[in-house]
Amino acid sequence: DVKVTQSSRYLVKRTGEKVFLECVQDMDHENMFWYRQDPGLGLRLIYFSYDVKMKEKGDIPEGYSVSREKKERFSLILESASTNQTSMYLCASSSTTDEQFFGPGTRLTVL
Amino acid sequence: QQPVQSPQAVILREGEDAVINCSSSKALYSVHWYRQKHGEAPVFLMILLKGGEQKGHEKISASFNEKKQQSSLYLTASQLSYSGTYFCGTAATSGTYKYIFGTGTRLKVLA
Repeated sequence: DVKVTQSSRYLVKRTGEKVFLECVQDMDHENMFWYRQDPGLGLRLIYFSYDVKMKEKGDIPEGYSVSREKKERFSLILESASTNQTSMYLCASSSTTDEQFFGPGTRLTVL
Repeated sequence: QQPVQSPQAVILREGEDAVINCSSSKALYSVHWYRQKHGEAPVFLMILLKGGEQKGHEKISASFNEKKQQSSLYLTASQLSYSGTYFCGTAATSGTYKYIFGTGTRLKVLA
């Protein structure tokens, strides 16, 4: 069974903290994605990666960075968390332009 | 610019039909549909490609009108398991992994 896992289901951080969200896929997919999901706004792409050490900005990259040192792992980094980054974060992976496989999400609250 | 989905929410009784629309202001190459059940990851339903090709693995049908830049998802004889939020994802060109997702349509099926 294909799997995308995320390091935490729930996370609470303080303003200004550095936050790491990790995503691991076991499908040997080249492409990995980070989205944030907010009520009324749907899914918005933050960053994606099409190969190890390669990344491309999505629609809302400001305040975020990413790291992909290994094919199976894609990390989202909030250098200095702010309250407007409170959201649900979803990771996904794909091998083609067709289907993306999503992880269960991390609900991040920044106080 | 995000595609617009309509309706935003719909409530049905089991056995009733529903149509969810996804409209884009840009020319489209493909439209993807996903369903997300409450508290779970979004799951791929199908992809519709310019030229009429359709791929999917659910017993749900959809159409793609390239000229009108819109797609519709048809849910017939709704089952309780159809409840969830439906997202369309649009791609403007072939070979792109960068989809723009709509804001979502919440569908609830009542017994």
